Amino acid sequence: SAVISQKPSRDICQRGTSLTIQCQVDSQVTMMFWYRQQPGQSLTLIATANQGSEATYESGFVIDKFPISRPNLTFSTLTVSNMSPEDSSIYLCSVEAPGTSYNEQFFGPGTRLTVL
Amino acid sequence: GIQVEQSPPDLILQEGANSTLRCNFSDSVNNLQWFHQNPWGQLINLFYIPSGTKQNGRLSATTVATERYSLLYISSSQTTDSGVYFCAVVPRGSNYKLTFGKGTLLTVNP
Repeated sequence: SAVISQKPSRDICQRGTSLTIQCQVDSQVTMMFWYRQQPGQSLTLIATANQGSEATYESGFVIDKFPISRPNLTFSTLTVSNMSPEDSSIYLCSVEAPGTSYNEQFFGPGTRLTVL
Repeated sequence: GIQVEQSPPDLILQEGANSTLRCNFSDSVNNLQWFHQNPWGQLINLFYIPSGTKQNGRLSATTVATERYSLLYISSSQTTDSGVYFCAVVPRGSNYKLTFGKGTLLTVNP
C-alpha cells in the first residue's frame, strides 16, 4: 500500500477565495488522482496528474477552476479557485501504489471543505 | 460509460447480524475494489477483487466477472462497521479510471 497525507484536513472558506490542497505520498508513484465527493454523494474523478505533464481533466472539470500541480513523483496540489458554496465537498487524492495489484488505488484521508 | 449499481442503498442491522452487499457492473473490468468510508470520511481499502473470492477476518468478497457482479459479506457485524461501503471498478480498456457506485450506507446498532 502507500501512506498518503493531505493538508489541510478541513477548512472553512469564504466565497470568491481559493484554497490549495496538498497531497504527499511516502513513495514515488507515476499517477496521482484527485476526486471530489459532494455531500451525500459518491466520488467523482476530477483529474489525473502525471509528473512532468499537464493534468488530464474529466468532463465537467476545467483547469481554470481546478488547477493542479505535480512537481515530483511524491507530491501534488489541487487548487479550488473562486469558490462558491457548491464547491463544499470532500476532496481526496489517490495513487496507484507501486508493488500492488494492477490498477489498485489507495486514498488519502481527504480534505473537508466548507464554503460560506 | 460503465454503470455501477450497488444494493441495497441503506441497511440497518443489530450488532452480531450478518449482511450481504451487492455490486452490479455493466461491462468487463480490469479492477474491482471494495472500500469502507468511515464517519470521518476516510476511505479504507477492503478488497481488490476483479475475480474470485477473498476473505479478511469477518469480511469476505466474491466477484463473478462473467456475470458482472460482486458481493461483500459482513459477518457478526459490529458498530464500528457502520459507514458507507463503495464498490469501484476500472473498466477494461480504461487503464486507470476508477468509477464508483453510489454506495451502501450501513448502520449497525448496539
